[in-house]
Amino acid sequence: DIQMTQSPSSLSASMGDRVTITCRASQGIGNSLAWFQQKPGKAPKSLIYGASNLHRGVPSKFSGSGSGTDFTLTISGLQPEDFATYYCLQYKNYPLTFGGGTKVDIK
Amino acid sequence: EVHLVESGGGLVKPGESLRLSCAASGFTFKAVWMTWVRQAPGKGLEWLGRIKGKASGETTDYTESVKGRFTISRDDSQNMLYLQMNSLTVDDTAVYYCTTVPNYGETIDHWGQGTLVTVSS
Repeated sequence: DIQMTQSPSSLSASMGDRVTITCRASQGIGNSLAWFQQKPGKAPKSLIYGASNLHRGVPSKFSGSGSGTDFTLTISGLQPEDFATYYCLQYKNYPLTFGGGTKVDIK
Repeated sequence: EVHLVESGGGLVKPGESLRLSCAASGFTFKAVWMTWVRQAPGKGLEWLGRIKGKASGETTDYTESVKGRFTISRDDSQNMLYLQMNSLTVDDTAVYYCTTVPNYGETIDHWGQGTLVTVSS
């Protein structure tokens, strides 16, 4: 199975900050990488697919980049609604595998 | 608008079985591949398995931890997705989500709200 390693596991940031979360795959996955946001007690929400494509309705403050084994999710201008846990997912090979998650909270 | 509603969760004892359902609406269900994902309390997300559409033979794939115990099926006439779970253990305690697979890649786009399964003696 492909292992997905996210870092950091948590971070504290202030309103208006720009934050970057990384996800590393144990083998090359091309651009078969997605990002999700999850708020406490809620279902995850899809943000990005194909490493850099925003799902419909996702604001442009979110951006993704990378290919192969190293990927990043960047959130610009943090707002209260952005404080959440973020997960990456590889869908190059079965079984699909998620990263361990990055919790973004308020400094 | 895509709508996915899971049901069937509850409290069961180790070794027992449970069937989860997911009612789908707002899209052409028979054409869409579907998956189940779960999340243990306080833990991350785990992809469980996927079922293709009838046109692709309703082929299924599973992660190793549930292979042979869990079965995904679908009833396109009712727009329903199912997860049959047998030989449950305490490690299967989680919120279970059904999701759709988009036509642009075998990832996940829409999520249901989840249903909680608790396995405890």
